[in-house]
Amino acid sequence: KAGVTQTPRYLIKTRGQQVTLSCSPISGHRSVSWYQQTPGQGLQFLFEYFSETQRNKGNFPGRFSGRQFSNSRSEMNVSTLELGDSALYLCASRAQGGNTEAFFGQGTRLTVV
Amino acid sequence: SQELEQSPQSLIVQEGKNLTINCTSSKTLYGLYWYKQKYGEGLIFLMMLQKGGEEKSHEKITAKLDEKKQQSSLHITASQPSHAGIYLCGAVGLSGNTPLVFGKGTRLSVIA
Repeated sequence: KAGVTQTPRYLIKTRGQQVTLSCSPISGHRSVSWYQQTPGQGLQFLFEYFSETQRNKGNFPGRFSGRQFSNSRSEMNVSTLELGDSALYLCASRAQGGNTEAFFGQGTRLTVV
Repeated sequence: SQELEQSPQSLIVQEGKNLTINCTSSKTLYGLYWYKQKYGEGLIFLMMLQKGGEEKSHEKITAKLDEKKQQSSLHITASQPSHAGIYLCGAVGLSGNTPLVFGKGTRLSVIA
């Protein structure tokens, strides 16, 4: 069974640009959550999608958005990139939600210059 | 919102020694997850605890959930260099629709 796949693994962007990250969950999993990880703030929750609907949202500005497709694959988009958006972005896959095991991808390392 | 505090923040132990990492929640725990992360990589799922008093083991790593104290502990026996990394605890709230939130992690170094 394939794990959670995130693409690309590394990305370098310039301030002001936008970026789209992709996450393919484990087959059969319907919940995809996105997290931002930085040395200072740790792992912060961005949003969760379940069956193509955003179910939860963290405290991030509107520049951060996401969506989920009918095959459960999810994308997150960051517009008007800022230096502070440099981070490791991780997605987690769960079968449904609540108390079910959550599995993570390898992450996308975004560097904004 | 639920907050998780991990202690210690970092730990250096000699190979072969035992160690314990704690995770304390600001709210009632309904599910507690433990992960390990190598620097710059994804999180590796270790185990999930769901019931008070539940204890699980994965190789030389044992975790226990204490509902009354709203706390979980992760214990590593006879540590090895392969145990080095960042250990993170995560938790979900009562509703099945709440997101999984995490503590800031404990950085473990194992020296020979």
